[in-house]
Amino acid sequence: DQQVKQNSPSLSVQEGRISILNCDYTNSMFDYFLWYKKYPAEGPTFLISISSIKDKNEDGRFTVFLNKSAKHLSLHIVPSQPGDSAVYFCAASSGSSNYKLTFGKGTLLTVNP
Amino acid sequence: KAGVTQTPRYLIKTRGQQVTLSCSPISGHRSVSWYQQTPGQGLQFLFEYFSETQRNKGNFPGRFSGRQFSNSRSEMNVSTLELGDSALYLCASSPGLAGEQFFGPGTRLTVL
Repeated sequence: DQQVKQNSPSLSVQEGRISILNCDYTNSMFDYFLWYKKYPAEGPTFLISISSIKDKNEDGRFTVFLNKSAKHLSLHIVPSQPGDSAVYFCAASSGSSNYKLTFGKGTLLTVNP
Repeated sequence: KAGVTQTPRYLIKTRGQQVTLSCSPISGHRSVSWYQQTPGQGLQFLFEYFSETQRNKGNFPGRFSGRQFSNSRSEMNVSTLELGDSALYLCASSPGLAGEQFFGPGTRLTVL
């Protein structure tokens, strides 16, 4: 049973445009959500997070939106740059197990120059 | 600060053998978590240690075990290796803030 789902295995956008990566979850106990970026042969790198008490968090070019009623979150990257090309993972945790992250299977983002 | 380091980076074993992987967290981090990444299952949580105690455990068989030392360094062990254990094993450390884990580069284990 996959509790965190990233339904788009890949996404391709033009440099300078917006990239929107989506993530759905099923476990109502999740209250903390994170996005990680992963390049080949490297470990995931933390990008941005959001607590369930918020519906938006922004950090530079990256913004995460959370819709609790729909159990949906999204990562917006504006403007997209070729260096953003990587696999993006959505992850979630619950207050009782803050250090047990449940990951989606990732979305490969390709930003074309 | 140095990042999370994992050794070895690559490992080849045969079925039935056992393997030990090592992880050194970022200095000052007391929580260490282990994850398995495979093409089919994605990233899956194995276990988490804090101050030498296992605090959280994922849904893996008892062949997968771990420990943490007083200096926060951690090891994970897989006994009686199976072909399906071939994966990238990632270690992550945390300073204690909820969910913000910092990952190492991983150990690529191949079981033949």
